[in-house]
Formats: sequence, structure tokens, C-alpha cells
Amino acid sequence: QLHLQQWGTGLLKPSETLSLTCAVYAGSFSGHYWSWVRQPPGKGLEWIGEINPAGTIKYNPSLKSRVAISGDTSQKQFSLKLNSVTAADTAVYYCAGGDSGWYVDFWGRGTLVTVSS
Amino acid sequence: QSVLTQPPSVSGAPGQRVTISCTGSSSNIGTDYDVHWYQHLPGTAPKLLIYANNYRPSGVPGRFSGSKSGTSASLAISELQAEDEADYYCQSYDSGLTGWVFGGGTKLTVL
Repeated sequence: QLHLQQWGTGLLKPSETLSLTCAVYAGSFSGHYWSWVRQPPGKGLEWIGEINPAGTIKYNPSLKSRVAISGDTSQKQFSLKLNSVTAADTAVYYCAGGDSGWYVDFWGRGTLVTVSS
Repeated sequence: QSVLTQPPSVSGAPGQRVTISCTGSSSNIGTDYDVHWYQHLPGTAPKLLIYANNYRPSGVPGRFSGSKSGTSASLAISELQAEDEADYYCQSYDSGLTGWVFGGGTKLTVL
């Protein structure tokens, strides 16, 4: 069964860059859609962006100016970078994947990222 | 403010049936984009519960069902069990945002 393992820095200062990576195990990287979703404390889920099997990347318009998603087929990994973070970016960040691109079949365990001075 | 609107909370006694609504607009649910539902237990990753409005992934009990009509969708949980206590989120695609949108989540309490 395909599963995802994610890692990255959990504590950042304002204006720093958030960096997370997600590795795909027991399954193929190509042919799936890979996404990042976050959940601020006490709030709902928010889609950050996606990289599709063709390598096309889409972002949530509200984050587009600060976010970058990339994929490495050879390493079976995809990554998230979010620059100029503020306290509002404090959240649990999930990597996610799916077969169709319309919903999530596979979820990472989540990484709590806290932005604090 | 989430693009999809869900009630903040619902509750029911064991054995009862509850429904959770998800209201969107003409740029998402109303444009015939499918609705998907996730169950989220605190401290764990969300779990796909219903996809494409009313399909259950393998392993999801038949007590969970989904429906969609117009600009709204619903998740029904029958024969409530204590283990169903969780947060539930609806999700769809929005043509204006050209990306996924989620509901704000509904906390289900089993009394």
C-alpha cells in the first residue's frame, strides 16, 4: 500500500522560508497527483497546491506569490517551499496524493510548523 | 471563511442517524464538480470517506453515504458508533480558484 513520509523544519521565525519534503513509498511516483494541504490551529483544511503527472503545477491563488512546489521523479519525492512566513502560516502541513487529481487517496502524517519570533 | 459551508457541529446518540451538509456555489458544487468527504481524527491524517459524491473507498462501512443536489451535498452516517466521533470535511473543485476547496469542517459528537 502506497504511503507517504514527510519531514521538514518545525519552528521558523517570521520572514523565513518553510521547507517540507514528502517521499513516496511502496508505490509509483509517476502517474499520481501530489498536493500539499494545511490546517491552521482550530481551523479547517486549506489546499496549497498540486503537481500533476505531467509536471504541471497549480497553486492556491491566496498563496501563489510565496509558494513553490517541485517534484523529483528519480527520488520519488515532492517538496513545498513557502517564503516570507508569518504567524498566520502556523499550521499542520500535510502532503497528499491521489490517482485522479480530484481528491486525496493518500495522506502523510502531517508536520506541525510553528512561526514565532 | 471557507468556500464550502458546513455546520460547525452535529451530534447524535449511538445507533442514530446524522447528516452533515456542505453548501457551495455555482463555481464549485453547482458546476457539477464532485464532492468528496474526509474523516479527521485529531492527531492523525484525514481519511477519505466518500469520493465522487456517493462512492465509498474499500474498507469504509456502508453506514457512511453521500449525496449531492444543486449547490449542496450531504454526508449521512447511520447506526452511529462512538468511534465515529471526529471532524468531517467536504471538498470539491472551484473553477474560479482553479483548485480544491474545503468546507470548514463539522465536529461530530456521539452523545
